[in-house]
Amino acid sequence: EVQLVESGGGLVQPGGSLRVSCAASGFSFSDYFMDWVRQTPGKGLEWVGRSKSKAKSYRTEYAASVRGRFIISRDASGNTVYLQMNGLRTEDTALYHCVRASLDAAGIWYLDLWGRGTLVTVSS
Amino acid sequence: DIQMTQSPSSVSASVGDTVTITCRASQAVKNYLNWFQRKPGKAPKSLIYGAFNLQNGVPSRFSGSGSGTDFTLTIRSLQPEDSGFYYCQQYTDFPLTFGGGTKVEI
Repeated sequence: EVQLVESGGGLVQPGGSLRVSCAASGFSFSDYFMDWVRQTPGKGLEWVGRSKSKAKSYRTEYAASVRGRFIISRDASGNTVYLQMNGLRTEDTALYHCVRASLDAAGIWYLDLWGRGTLVTVSS
Repeated sequence: DIQMTQSPSSVSASVGDTVTITCRASQAVKNYLNWFQRKPGKAPKSLIYGAFNLQNGVPSRFSGSGSGTDFTLTIRSLQPEDSGFYYCQQYTDFPLTFGGGTKVEI
């Protein structure tokens, strides 16, 4: 079955760190871009960052709000993508979704498969 | 950043009705526009990509149109399982940005 399953969310204090994971199955993981998108009641949906495909050397891009604090990495052999979150702030509290991006006919990568998400709460 | 504005924020309709949701971008996004559906406790589901291309397995009662800055998602012959939240999202430029969502109640 083609799916994404996130794990590792939890409660962390401001300034702390947390790593969440996303296990992919049912597709050729290294051929796809993998993104993280977070969801909050107040700010709605916010794109966090991207790990490009193996063909693009797994290069990463980040939203300005997390650049320098968050790191996306992959374990290609285990079909898992990680989001390492450092220097966490209360405003990082959100449901974090792992999202696959596929290539359309125009050669543009678009989000097409989502996981249910894992909840991260930053609070003292 | 490209701002995406959806309307209405919520709509209540009956089974069999047609519902139309609009999405406006603050600058042209060509047709690099997604629509997806979110239900509580479930993974969001991609409905349409490239403004009008139906994802595999999505019922044909869903359709998308538009280009540039103005887009529309139309749900014809509304079904009970269509209740939920609907979002547009542009992918012409980083950061990827999303509309604020539309709640559809049946």
